[in-house]
Amino acid sequence: GAVVSQHPSRVICKSGTSVKIECRSLDFQATTMFWYRQFPKQSLMLMATSNEGSKATYEQGVEKDKFLINHASLTLSTLTVTSAHPEDSSFYICSAREWDRANTEAFFGQGTRLTVV
Amino acid sequence: GEDVEQSLFLSVREGDSSVINCTYTDSSSTYLYWYKQEPGAGLQLLTYIFSNMDMKQDQRLTVLLNKKDKHLSLRIADTQTGDSAIYFCAETLGKGGKLIFGQGTELSVKP
Repeated sequence: GAVVSQHPSRVICKSGTSVKIECRSLDFQATTMFWYRQFPKQSLMLMATSNEGSKATYEQGVEKDKFLINHASLTLSTLTVTSAHPEDSSFYICSAREWDRANTEAFFGQGTRLTVV
Repeated sequence: GEDVEQSLFLSVREGDSSVINCTYTDSSSTYLYWYKQEPGAGLQLLTYIFSNMDMKQDQRLTVLLNKKDKHLSLRIADTQTGDSAIYFCAETLGKGGKLIFGQGTELSVKP
């Protein structure tokens, strides 16, 4: 199946700094990528939908100035957690859908474990 | 509204069948999915079913969909210890394609 690569898999940063997470579709073009956040023992919460060449659509309650999303090409979306705080520590997962195949499977990255100290 | 619900835990013995249940509320769902998540890892797609189907079988996995009751189940035959993981059902809505996930069912397989 199609591969989505997420980098880094783990990151530890200091409070107040910013962290960038990359999500790449390796063998297909993805016009739409999704960013999720997962707390321990909990489900995935959709944060935002990233569309290539346009602004991301954020879910209610997600601060767009804190979680900056850029989808500059058909194979790359980035999530930047700005001025990180310990409460931002979480598991972040991206997923991507192929161009023009909106109703089939979404491929997931392996996730990024963010720890803010 | 968008709501997907699952029971939180299931424990079975190795070799038995496991049945994980899921209910959803949005009748406009087009595809319904089952994902597996092992500790510290991302999500692995196990199978999916289109909303106009009522059953899909793929090796040890059988998905049953009751669209009238908005009920989805995943049956794993001959469950192995390697099947221990969290299983998420999810529905996709509309053209945007975002996935709405259930809370996940933690499957524990005992030898």
